[in-house]
Amino acid sequence: DIQMTQSPSSLSASVGDRVTIACRASQSISSYLNWYQQKPGKAPKLLIYATSSLQSGVPSRFSGSGSGTDFTLTISSLQPEDFATYYCQQSYSTPHTFGQGTKLEIK
Amino acid sequence: QVQLQESGPGLVKPSETLSLTCTVSGGSVSSGNYYWSWIRQPPGKGLEWIGYIYYTGSTNFNPSLKSRVTISLDTSKNQFSLKLSSVTAADTAVYYCARRRFGDGAVDIWGQGTMVTVSS
Repeated sequence: DIQMTQSPSSLSASVGDRVTIACRASQSISSYLNWYQQKPGKAPKLLIYATSSLQSGVPSRFSGSGSGTDFTLTISSLQPEDFATYYCQQSYSTPHTFGQGTKLEIK
Repeated sequence: QVQLQESGPGLVKPSETLSLTCTVSGGSVSSGNYYWSWIRQPPGKGLEWIGYIYYTGSTNFNPSLKSRVTISLDTSKNQFSLKLSSVTAADTAVYYCARRRFGDGAVDIWGQGTMVTVSS
């Protein structure tokens, strides 16, 4: 199985901050990397697919980059509704493993 | 728009079989553009991919669960189902049905999730 490791596991930030979350794969996954946002008690929501493509309806303050084994999710200017847990997931090979999550909290 | 809805018992006894169904509305499970998936999340923990089924009936499962998992498709009802046998407390989780895209593999539509507790 491909292991996905996110850093940090938790992060405190303020509204308006620029935030970056990292995701590292245990082997190359090309660009098959997706990002999800999950709020308490809700299903995850797809934000970014194929490393850097913005899912329809997702605000442009979200962006993704990377290739191979190292990827990042950036939120350019945090909004109150962005405080949530974020997961990366590889869809390069099965099982389609997820990172352990990064909890983004209000400072 | 496409919506997915899980249904099934919220409580299952240890050693028994967990059975869940996902009803798809606004779209067809017979589409070749998607894989119909199950993903779970134990309380307070991260997401675990269980497996998926394609409209042809082809399946792919997480090796950690493969010996206990069955996923099936009912095109007449536009549903797909999950069966997980010999459950233990470790199988207690929120179970999500979801739609995985064929090309990039992203999961773009999720059900709301259903909590299943394994307890006697």
